[in-house]
Amino acid sequence: AQTVTQSQPEMSVQEAETVTLSCTYDTSESNYYLFWYKQPPSRQMILVIRQEAYKQQNATENRFSVNFQKAAKSFSLKISDSQLGDTAMYFCAFMSLFGNEKLTFGTGTRLTIIP
Amino acid sequence: SQTIHQWPATLVQPVGSPLSLECTVEGTSNPNLYWYRQAAGRGLQLLFYSVGIGQISSEVPQNLSASRPQDRQFILSSKKLLLSDSGFYLCAQGLAGGHGKTQYFGPGTRLLVL
Repeated sequence: AQTVTQSQPEMSVQEAETVTLSCTYDTSESNYYLFWYKQPPSRQMILVIRQEAYKQQNATENRFSVNFQKAAKSFSLKISDSQLGDTAMYFCAFMSLFGNEKLTFGTGTRLTIIP
Repeated sequence: SQTIHQWPATLVQPVGSPLSLECTVEGTSNPNLYWYRQAAGRGLQLLFYSVGIGQISSEVPQNLSASRPQDRQFILSSKKLLLSDSGFYLCAQGLAGGHGKTQYFGPGTRLLVL
């Protein structure tokens, strides 16, 4: 079974600074998807970014980018020029391409952007 | 685009009462649908998934059941609620093709069992 570990329960950063959230995972599969989701106080899960394991290029979405290290099974999220609206819980998730394609989530990192 | 509706938004129920949470999706036909539960301060746990009408798979044994009576409707039910059923329930729609097997979530239902 796959596991996802987020070792930083809480983080805080000044507005406009850059912050990196860590995620490691464990799997024996060679092809899969990795995701970062954001959960603001409204609690709706919002997709931030997606990475396909067979792609070597790191995914980027505006101010959000990932550092995907397949051999190390590491998938960190970098938020540049952080904004107050980035305050939220951030969840790393793994999707196997076998079976039901369910998401396996980490326990989350609570990120606070300080004005 | 993906639009997912869930209702009710909030529900307070006594122990032993029945439950029915509804999820409807718009957009693509025959989507994969998922029910997740989030306990307070924790990540999401998959409860059920469905690949088509009447096709339900359970991930964990529990007090809950799911049904899919229509292509874009997914219902989570219980005959008798337990205190441990309290939590935040999220419905998700799985999309493939250009979305690359991505799951998109509805707004969720907060359930408190007293």
